[in-house]
Amino acid sequence: AQSVTQLDSQVPVFEEAPVELRCNYSSSVSVYLFWYVQYPNQGLQLLLKYLSGSTLVKGINGFEAEFNKSQTSFHLRKPSVHISDTAEYFCAVKGDYKLSFGAGTTVTVRA
Amino acid sequence: DVKVTQSSRYLVKRTGEKVFLECVQDMDHENMFWYRQDPGLGLRLIYFSYDVKMKEKGDIPEGYSVSREKKERFSLILESASTNQTSMYLCASSFWDRSHEQYFGPGTRLTVT
Repeated sequence: AQSVTQLDSQVPVFEEAPVELRCNYSSSVSVYLFWYVQYPNQGLQLLLKYLSGSTLVKGINGFEAEFNKSQTSFHLRKPSVHISDTAEYFCAVKGDYKLSFGAGTTVTVRA
Repeated sequence: DVKVTQSSRYLVKRTGEKVFLECVQDMDHENMFWYRQDPGLGLRLIYFSYDVKMKEKGDIPEGYSVSREKKERFSLILESASTNQTSMYLCASSFWDRSHEQYFGPGTRLTVT
């Protein structure tokens, strides 16, 4: 079985400041990890994914995440956020046939 | 671009009504999924389908059924809607061998009164 814990439910941040969203996972199978973003009134879209290889993964819109096997973590970072990054972010882990999602982290970017 | 569409963005139904939520994808994906999204709980899988007429229960199938008569269409059915089924419902699709890369529809916000 697999599960995901997102350690922060809400993250307020000022425009142009850095942001980090924390995600810890557990999985009994090979680890495939994902971050999805949901902008207001929209469905989810894939930000980035880790399947294998380099532990530092770059995604869309300047986001990146680092896979840390020893700490079972997959934290998402952006060095400088924009107002348009206001959204809900979901970490997910793939099991044998499905994705398991975390509870989500709401990022609110203020001017 | 992959397009996943859902029949309604907002729906209001009464307790006991039969409710149909429709989802259509245009990328010839084998897999289709129905999730429920609630604050603080993330997304929970209700049912998924890997082929026409095939379905598998997800984590929370109770009170729901599904139908997949054509490859591009996956329907979620609430046989007798209840107030605890008030939620956001998200449909997704993917290729059979890439179930981790799912494409989502915009969601249907269902209110049961």
